[in-house]
Amino acid sequence: SYVLTQPSSVSVAPGKTARITCGVNNIGRKSVHWYQQKPGQAPVLVIYHDSDRPSGIPERFSGSNSGNTATLTISRVEAGDEADYYCQVWDSSSDHVLFGGGTKLTVL
Amino acid sequence: QVQLQESGSGLVKPSETLSLSCIVSGYSISSGYYWGWIRQPPGRGLDWIGNIYHTGSTYYNPSVKSRVTISVDTSKNQFSLKLSSVTAADTAVYYCVRVKGGYDSHHYYYMDVWGKGTTVTVSS
Repeated sequence: SYVLTQPSSVSVAPGKTARITCGVNNIGRKSVHWYQQKPGQAPVLVIYHDSDRPSGIPERFSGSNSGNTATLTISRVEAGDEADYYCQVWDSSSDHVLFGGGTKLTVL
Repeated sequence: QVQLQESGSGLVKPSETLSLSCIVSGYSISSGYYWGWIRQPPGRGLDWIGNIYHTGSTYYNPSVKSRVTISVDTSKNQFSLKLSSVTAADTAVYYCVRVKGGYDSHHYYYMDVWGKGTTVTVSS
């Protein structure tokens, strides 16, 4: 098995762009999914298949995946985007779901 | 609108078996998708427990595989989790989820619907 590496925290000013990374060797060969979790709430899927957005998720949320790094990008950050964000993949070598350790996004 | 609701004991004694159920509304389990359980220990990240397809095929996290059973009851449109020989390390919020799985040049699984979660504490 392997570990998905995320920064523990990212800070950004309102209106700016936040980028949260998820890294592992050859992650670009996998399908990466992202979840947002606000305090006391269940996680919500915000990006699936690297860059697809579920209905109801603002276009400000986008994703990319190449090489050894997948990135969740949040444009024009709002105070309401403050949350923990988790990346997730399927590990085919051991047939199980892997989550990154999570990144706390702070809006300054 | 698909909704998932966890139910079960919130307090379990060490060495006993944790049992939770998830009632699905707005969607028939038999229609497809995988169904699964995720947990989150206090102050920590997400931890996948396992998935089940409506036919009964399962995937489990190797870290709990020897202790876990996930089952599905299509007649009640619900699925269940049993985790045996629990310790304090199993204290967590437990979420039931709907899982989209498939293959598109590589296998993928992601959780598109989550229950609100239920807190389980392991303590004597």
